[in-house]
Amino acid sequence: NAGVTQTPKFRVLKTGQSMTLLCAQDMNHEYMYWYRQDPGMGLRLIHYSVGEGTTAKGEVPDGYNVSRLKKQNFLLGLESAAPSQTSVYFCASSYSPPGGVYNEQFFGPGTRLTVL
Amino acid sequence: RKEVEQDPGPFNVPEGATVAFNCTYSNSASQSFFWYRQDCRKEPKLLMSVYSSGNEDGRFTAQLNRASQYISLLIRDSKLSDSATYLCVVNSGGYQKVTFGTGTKLQVIP
Repeated sequence: NAGVTQTPKFRVLKTGQSMTLLCAQDMNHEYMYWYRQDPGMGLRLIHYSVGEGTTAKGEVPDGYNVSRLKKQNFLLGLESAAPSQTSVYFCASSYSPPGGVYNEQFFGPGTRLTVL
Repeated sequence: RKEVEQDPGPFNVPEGATVAFNCTYSNSASQSFFWYRQDCRKEPKLLMSVYSSGNEDGRFTAQLNRASQYISLLIRDSKLSDSATYLCVVNSGGYQKVTFGTGTKLQVIP
């Protein structure tokens, strides 16, 4: 039981390049999330998904796209990377939606992305 | 005012000490509250949920004060392994209303 895994762990891009971050979970969770974490700021929600085939915008969606073709996978794409997208990206999943006291989000180990 | 505010610290405490962190939130309609722990360069992990009546898990106690709009985390008998950043998480309803605090850094010193 690997939990939540993310690929790659590190990446350096040049401005304008594209890439896809892969998140996979083996807990059969319906709900999946992509966050970014920047110094001095809390984790901010980029996009989320409430089930296979669904996606929705979070707090900071601009410059990112997502897809959830399979329940266990949630992909985050950067079409044209910008230096402002330098960050640590965390994927998370949960069994139930946010709001309940029993809601726990399980996070992947993160992807450290630098855009030059 | 930020939606969720935490003292960034660092809190430097000796082993065995008791330390407490507070986290204030601005939305009085907030519904659920959590403390997560994040080790350096690692992912956040749930430490405990915060129930209205307060709850305890071993050396950790979480409290909610709705009137003053803050939650607290008390750590007794601090261990070196408690050194981490503690994130406050507040949910005000819905996926886009889950707000993470910036975290409070704790360093337990031998």
